[in-house]
Amino acid sequence: DAGVIQSPRHEVTEMGQEVTLRCKPISGHNSLFWYRQTMMRGLELLIYFNNNVPIDDSGMPEDRFSAKMPNASFSTLKIQPSEPRDSAVYFCASSPQGPTEAFFGQGTRLTVV
Amino acid sequence: AQSVTQLGSHVSVSEGALVLLRCNYSSSVPPYLFWYVQYPNQGLQLLLKYTSAATLVKGINDFEAEFKKSETSFHLTKPSAHMSDAAEYFCAGVSGGSYIPTFGRGTSLIVHP
Repeated sequence: DAGVIQSPRHEVTEMGQEVTLRCKPISGHNSLFWYRQTMMRGLELLIYFNNNVPIDDSGMPEDRFSAKMPNASFSTLKIQPSEPRDSAVYFCASSPQGPTEAFFGQGTRLTVV
Repeated sequence: AQSVTQLGSHVSVSEGALVLLRCNYSSSVPPYLFWYVQYPNQGLQLLLKYTSAATLVKGINDFEAEFKKSETSFHLTKPSAHMSDAAEYFCAGVSGGSYIPTFGRGTSLIVHP
């Protein structure tokens, strides 16, 4: 298996633009997580899907952030409009059903100028 | 809810010295605990996991961790540090009732020649 695949690896955008981050989880995994990593706040959970359904989105910072999982093999995280404080590394992770380890993608480094 | 605390944001050791990275958990139910490693510009990779079987868990690259319920700890050790061990290390926990991994703030391991 190729592991969790995220695209793009790097994104530089101007403030106010829409940004879409993409994730393909490992086949057969039921859970999908989006995390944001910054020096100040460490790893923060943004949203958790189980069987394509959003279960916990309490970590989504504000209405500018939205996430979808239209099927078991694809998820998106959208920021509209983007702001400089959104600059961070965004990770997607997936895991099999149950309380087990999460498998991480390589991350998307987002810079908003 | 499960939470984990990593003591020390930075740990510095000499090459060949013992590595000890500390993690304490807080949970009302037996947790599932994990250690991950993150190399620069990469995602998190699983080092080892505790799932209530043996209390001493061995992982990759000679790392191991011991689950101590009386101390609510899951410290990571390695007998002899290599330069290649320099990275960020994260402790994570999952409670039996939740499938969401909760991460500590991370510990940066610095290895001096």
